[in-house]
Amino acid sequence: HVQLVQSEAEVKKPGASVKVFCAASGYSFTDYYIHWVRQAPGQGPEWMGWINPKRGDTNYAPNFQGRVTMTRDAYINTAYMEIRRVRDDDTATYYCARDSAWGSRNWYFDVWGSGTQITVSS
Amino acid sequence: AIQLTQSPSSLSASVGDRVTITCRASQGITNALAWYQQKPGQPPNLLIYGASTLKTGVPSRFGGSGSGTDFTLTIASLQPEDLATYYCQQYDTFPPITFGGGTRVQV
Repeated sequence: HVQLVQSEAEVKKPGASVKVFCAASGYSFTDYYIHWVRQAPGQGPEWMGWINPKRGDTNYAPNFQGRVTMTRDAYINTAYMEIRRVRDDDTATYYCARDSAWGSRNWYFDVWGSGTQITVSS
Repeated sequence: AIQLTQSPSSLSASVGDRVTITCRASQGITNALAWYQQKPGQPPNLLIYGASTLKTGVPSRFGGSGSGTDFTLTIASLQPEDLATYYCQQYDTFPPITFGGGTRVQV
């Protein structure tokens, strides 16, 4: 059974950092790119970037360049997404999602994690 | 970035109705468009990619059409379990990949 299990909800103060994990199971982790997508309350999803679990290379959306880092640990089939200097408008549900292409990118997502709620509040 | 505008933002329909949702792109995206269904408290679920290709296992009452800038998601006969918000996503020009604002379907 293919699934992506994410870390639990967190509450952070403005200016803090937060790191979310995404543990993959049921498939070969290094064969599919992982994307991160966030969704603010009542809004459409917002794509943040991708990581290649095999080589670790990444690409970030312009809005997140310099503040977001995506990493992975292929030994434990887990991807991570860290946001630094969080702001109130970073309050959202953060999802990891698997690209549908084996070994490449189709740029649409066939498996999603259950989501991690990040709340930024002073 | 390419903007995707969905209409309507919400709709109410009865079981058995034919439902049509549109997604308009701010510039041409060939057929690089996907549709997702998101039920309350759940992540999005891929329904259609390539504008019209149904993902395996998705009921045949769902259909997609369009190319260039104008796209349509159709539910041929609405069922109670189709209560959800539907999003389009373009992947022709990136970064960034972009999503529409969503259409909430109430049954």
